Amino acid sequence: LAKTTQPISMDSYEGQEVNITCSHNNIATNDYITWYQQFPSQGPRFIIQGYKTKVTNEVASLFIPADRKSSTLSLPRVSLSDTAVYYCLVGELNDMRFGAGTRLTVKP
Amino acid sequence: DAGVIQSPRHEVTEMGQEVTLRCKPISGHDYLFWYRQTMMRGLELLIYFNNNVPIDDSGMPEDRFSAKMPNASFSTLKIQPSEPRDSAVYFCASSRSDRGTSNYGYTFGSGTRLTVV
Repeated sequence: LAKTTQPISMDSYEGQEVNITCSHNNIATNDYITWYQQFPSQGPRFIIQGYKTKVTNEVASLFIPADRKSSTLSLPRVSLSDTAVYYCLVGELNDMRFGAGTRLTVKP
Repeated sequence: DAGVIQSPRHEVTEMGQEVTLRCKPISGHDYLFWYRQTMMRGLELLIYFNNNVPIDDSGMPEDRFSAKMPNASFSTLKIQPSEPRDSAVYFCASSRSDRGTSNYGYTFGSGTRLTVV
């Protein structure tokens, strides 16, 4: 399983765009990239998933370069309620393992 | 849809006792996962099932842990005997293998906070 590396923590301010980058140098051909969000005392919540290029939904965008060795989660115009831990997962669709995650703190 | 339902939400038990955690996946989901979360080790995958069959249990800590899925709508995670180091939040998640959906991902339950004293 591909190991992921992402920053331990990030700070931002309300209204800013936040980009969280994840490195996954050993990604395999069958692996997908998935991001989850977790608030305290709750289970992780699916944000977005992609295989290559760019994926966008109502919550976020996911940018994946051609070599797929990294990916960037982009959160547009964050608010205080986006303060959470964000996990990057790489693996086959039904065999994904969580890393340490990035603790995002949004300040007023 | 009520989502993934876990019970109990909180469990406090004494060392040596048997603990059973329960999970009801989303109807129609054919994969079910059990995770454990602690501050020290983060989120660990313990075991997962596909169509009620255990596929990978390599994350199960030791023989004291066992998981079953007798049917598509119910799974249990049992710890016998329980130890203080088993204290953690245990999450159950389910997903579909149908890749036609554009919102593919795992749906997690609210978790069971287990405290072994």
